[in-house]
Amino acid sequence: EVQLVQSGGGVVQPGGSLRLSCEASGFTFSGYWMTWVRQTPGKGLEWVANINRDGSAKQYVRSAEGRFTISRDNAKNSLYLQMTSLSPEDAGVYYCVRPPARALDYWGQGTLVTVSS
Amino acid sequence: DIVMTQTPLSSPVTLGQPASISCRSSQSLVSSDGTTYFNWLQQRPGQPPRLLIYEISNRFSGVPDRFSGSGAGTDFTLEISRVEAEDVGIYYCMQASQLPWTFGQGTKVEIK
Repeated sequence: EVQLVQSGGGVVQPGGSLRLSCEASGFTFSGYWMTWVRQTPGKGLEWVANINRDGSAKQYVRSAEGRFTISRDNAKNSLYLQMTSLSPEDAGVYYCVRPPARALDYWGQGTLVTVSS
Repeated sequence: DIVMTQTPLSSPVTLGQPASISCRSSQSLVSSDGTTYFNWLQQRPGQPPRLLIYEISNRFSGVPDRFSGSGAGTDFTLEISRVEAEDVGIYYCMQASQLPWTFGQGTKVEIK
């Protein structure tokens, strides 16, 4: 059974940083691109970033470039999202997603990020 | 960026009756490899989104056959042949043909 179990998240002050994690199981993690999607009150569902199978290629939404870093550790079957310079607009639920052939077929349970002073 | 526009935004339906949701993209979703990377997702209350349909009309594993997708280019439709109580939720279209991947604003399906 494919599972994506997320951790991290929480409350952070504006300008702060946070690291999200996602541990995959039930499939060959190193064989798939992976994706982060967020759901915010302001923009609804928003694609955030992609990473290729070996981590050598990364793609970001414009608002995340320079502030967020997607990474992976295939030995640990884990995906990460390092977020810096967080603003209230970044608050929401972040999902780790598997996107074979660009279809978002399995989603993590989501992790809540709150940006507040 | 490609804008995805869904109609209606709310759809009250009677159990057992059909429902239809439309999605229009601001540009053609035919990608350079000839594939149209257009998907439909369902989000039940309190849950993550779930893939229903990929590449316009392909039902994902485990999705009931009362769900069907159609369309081409810039106009797409999700149809539920006979709505059941478990279909209540918000439905999203999304495109992955061009970066950044973008989503529609969602259509809320509720029972009358």
